[in-house]
Amino acid sequence: GENVEQHPSTLSVQEGDSAVIKCTYSDSASNYFPWYKQELGKRPQLIIDIRSNVGEKKDQRIAVTLNKTAKHFSLHITETQPEDSAVYFCAAIGNTGTASKLTFGTGTRLQVTL
Amino acid sequence: ETGVTQTPRHLVMGMTNKKSLKCEQHLGHNAMYWYKQSAKKPLELMFVYSLEERVENNSVPSRFSPECPNSSHLFLHLHTLQPEDSALYLCASSQGTGTGDEQYFGPGTRLTVT
Repeated sequence: GENVEQHPSTLSVQEGDSAVIKCTYSDSASNYFPWYKQELGKRPQLIIDIRSNVGEKKDQRIAVTLNKTAKHFSLHITETQPEDSAVYFCAAIGNTGTASKLTFGTGTRLQVTL
Repeated sequence: ETGVTQTPRHLVMGMTNKKSLKCEQHLGHNAMYWYKQSAKKPLELMFVYSLEERVENNSVPSRFSPECPNSSHLFLHLHTLQPEDSALYLCASSQGTGTGDEQYFGPGTRLTVT
């Protein structure tokens, strides 16, 4: 089955700096890669996703890049703000191509300091 | 945020108890999920229901028994649990089970098994 690895497990940046979180996946047939943000004590929420037919997607300060050849994808947050502090999870959908097959990474705890 | 609700929010139970977790979605979705979230581990998919029919069961021990009486409600019946079952149990729903169907999570039930 699919295996998703995520790094780093913790990340501390100063407000205004950029943050990058990286994930790798094992199943070359995976074709959908969502990112979820989970604030302390709250539920995970989808913040951005990318499909395998594009290499990059942006939404304001958040961008995701995908390298299908290397089987890795990354989340980029620019001009970080304290409210960006949370745990971020990457995920990939395995070769069955259904949402029910989401495999999650172990999460990255991002701390944005003033 | 009231799209997906879960009760109770916290539960402490002994290993010989029987309890049930409840999830309700108000989004008109057709698919519902149970996930287990343990510290420093990725979100683990437990069960998937699509149109009230179980479509996925990820080798979950029989002490966890799901029930989906209709597309809006999902239960997780618990009996003779082990301390290692202590975790945050998250319910999610999506429009369907296709690729790109965003999963909306509930707030979770924090379960402690003593």
